Amino acid sequence: QVQLVQSGAEVKKPGASVKVSCKASGYTFTDNYIHWVRQAPGQGLEWMGWIYPNTGGTNYAQKFQGRVTMTRDTSISTAYMELSSLKSDDTALYYCARDTSMIEFGYWGQGTLVTVSS
Amino acid sequence: QSALTQPRSVSGSPGQSVTISCTGTSSDVGGYNYVSWYQQHPGIAPKLMIYDVSKRPSGVPDRFSGSKSGNTASLTISGLQAEDEADYYCCSYAGDYTSFGGGTSLTVL
Repeated sequence: QVQLVQSGAEVKKPGASVKVSCKASGYTFTDNYIHWVRQAPGQGLEWMGWIYPNTGGTNYAQKFQGRVTMTRDTSISTAYMELSSLKSDDTALYYCARDTSMIEFGYWGQGTLVTVSS
Repeated sequence: QSALTQPRSVSGSPGQSVTISCTGTSSDVGGYNYVSWYQQHPGIAPKLMIYDVSKRPSGVPDRFSGSKSGNTASLTISGLQAEDEADYYCCSYAGDYTSFGGGTSLTVL
């Protein structure tokens, strides 16, 4: 069965960077786009971008360009999302999601809570 | 790259139907037949309910249906049940980006 398992919660200081991992299993990792979506406490879903594991190609939301980097390691079927220059309003639950077709996010990771606090 | 517009809340009694709207522009909702809907219960990752405007993944009850007219997509839930109480988000492809709606809180009275 398809599973996306994310790394554990992180606490970071303002200005630092965080790298969240998303390990895929139960399917061919290189076949599907992985999207990253975040949710601030009590707020809605916000799309951050995607990575295509087959080629490593990426596309980032304008809001995060210059601060986000999405990578992958196909040898261990894992995608990564690194966000730099963290601010307090980056405190959120970060999800990875597998795209089956066109924004058909049928599988999600469990979420990784990133807290930014001095 | 703007968020799609959804009502903040809707409500209905068990057995009734409710419709949640999702308004975008000709660059996103109106431009592509790629709108999906997600249900989210507190503390749990979102669950796909509708994709490609009106398709239902296996396991999703046929009480859930999706449609689109112009720049507005809609999710209709018929025969409301207590377990339908949750937040619902629409999502649209827009070429080089993807937009989510702000979310709608559904209360089953």
